Amino acid sequence: GQQVMQIPQYQHVQEGEDFTTYCNSSTTLSNIQWYKQRPGGHPVFLIQLVKSGEVKKQKRLTFQFGEAKKNSSLHITATQTTDVGTYFCAGSGNTPLVFGKGTRLSVIA
Amino acid sequence: DTGVSQDPRHKITKRGQNVTFRCDPISEHNRLYWYRQTLGQGPEFLTYFQNEAQLEKSRLLSDRFSAERPKGSFSTLEIQRTEQGDSAMYLCASSLGAGSRDQPQHFGDGTRLSIL
Repeated sequence: GQQVMQIPQYQHVQEGEDFTTYCNSSTTLSNIQWYKQRPGGHPVFLIQLVKSGEVKKQKRLTFQFGEAKKNSSLHITATQTTDVGTYFCAGSGNTPLVFGKGTRLSVIA
Repeated sequence: DTGVSQDPRHKITKRGQNVTFRCDPISEHNRLYWYRQTLGQGPEFLTYFQNEAQLEKSRLLSDRFSAERPKGSFSTLEIQRTEQGDSAMYLCASSLGAGSRDQPQHFGDGTRLSIL
């Protein structure tokens, strides 16, 4: 079945440093979504990418969907302590959303 | 927007007991999803409804699990004869569904199940 893999599993950064998490699917996706889960919280929707090669920005966050629609990335510029949490990608092909294991981001002030 | 609510927040039970969880989605959302999440993992899809119809169920889902959404509003997830491995956070999410494209999902706070 469809699998979605994320790397790295953990990332510790100094406040102000950049952060990137990568997502790869075993199959071509129709769309990909990104969610953020704060410690003790529930996943919160960030963005959805649909088109091949699509790039979307939300303030310091940049999301990219690969040309082959099998990979995606999330880049955070100049991290802040409020960015702490686990970032999940979730891909949809012919099945309901399949979530990756997430990248847990820690930001050291 | 009252959000997705789940009840109870925590459930502790002995192995072999039955448990039932409830999810109230955002009122105008026609799709409702159940997920299971364990520590260090992403949400794992269990099943989803469009209105009252259960459209898909994970192949990994044991026959001990059953879900209903009788009037297309709230949903219940029942686990019969609970086992240690059922200990997890059970998350409910809802969305507006149109066609085959997934829409953004809004999650509840979850029900944490602990099996003694």
